[in-house]
Amino acid sequence: NAGVTQTPKFQVLKTGQSMTLQCAQDMNHEYMSWYRQDPGMGLRLIHYSVGAGITDQGEVPNGYNVSRSTTEDFPLRLLSAAPSQTSVYFCASRRGDYSNQPQHFGDGTRLSIL
Amino acid sequence: DAKTTQPNSMESNEEEPVHLPCNHSTISGTDYIHWYRQLPSQGPEYVIHGLTSNVNNRMASLAIAEDRKSSTLILHRATLRDAAVYYCILRYTGTASKLTFGTGTRLQVTL
Repeated sequence: NAGVTQTPKFQVLKTGQSMTLQCAQDMNHEYMSWYRQDPGMGLRLIHYSVGAGITDQGEVPNGYNVSRSTTEDFPLRLLSAAPSQTSVYFCASRRGDYSNQPQHFGDGTRLSIL
Repeated sequence: DAKTTQPNSMESNEEEPVHLPCNHSTISGTDYIHWYRQLPSQGPEYVIHGLTSNVNNRMASLAIAEDRKSSTLILHRATLRDAAVYYCILRYTGTASKLTFGTGTRLQVTL
């Protein structure tokens, strides 16, 4: 029962490099989202998707791109990494209907930008 | 979005009940009250949610005030494994409804 799987768990980048954080879920959930969490703070929403082919911006979308070509996968791309993007990134998924189902989170990717 | 207010931190002794309060005076009629917790170095974990009536599950109980302007998460017997940050979040019902996290309450459990 994998749930939400994030890779990699840790990553160090240099300023200006690009990379993709992977997120996959095996629960056939329509809704997926990406959050970042900075030290001592709650999670902030970056982007979300209500289904394959549909994405939208959250609270802090600048510097990040997403796409949703399949129900299972929702990768997050850093276009040109900056030190301000040093953070822990969490991916989450849930059923995308009106049933108010809980959200399932991955274990996070810890990203450092030098 | 309606906001929630929680104490920054609370302490409890192991095996004693813990009552974690949350104020949400601007809650709307369609907002559900969700609770998540985040253990150290882990992603948030769903605890419980409710709309108007009190709710119980294997992890906790949720007591909702009659006017819905406040709620309380109840851990019946705290253990060391319950030490975490607890988030009270309002979420409306809908396909695109989001979870908006505050800073939560950091619960410390001591022997």
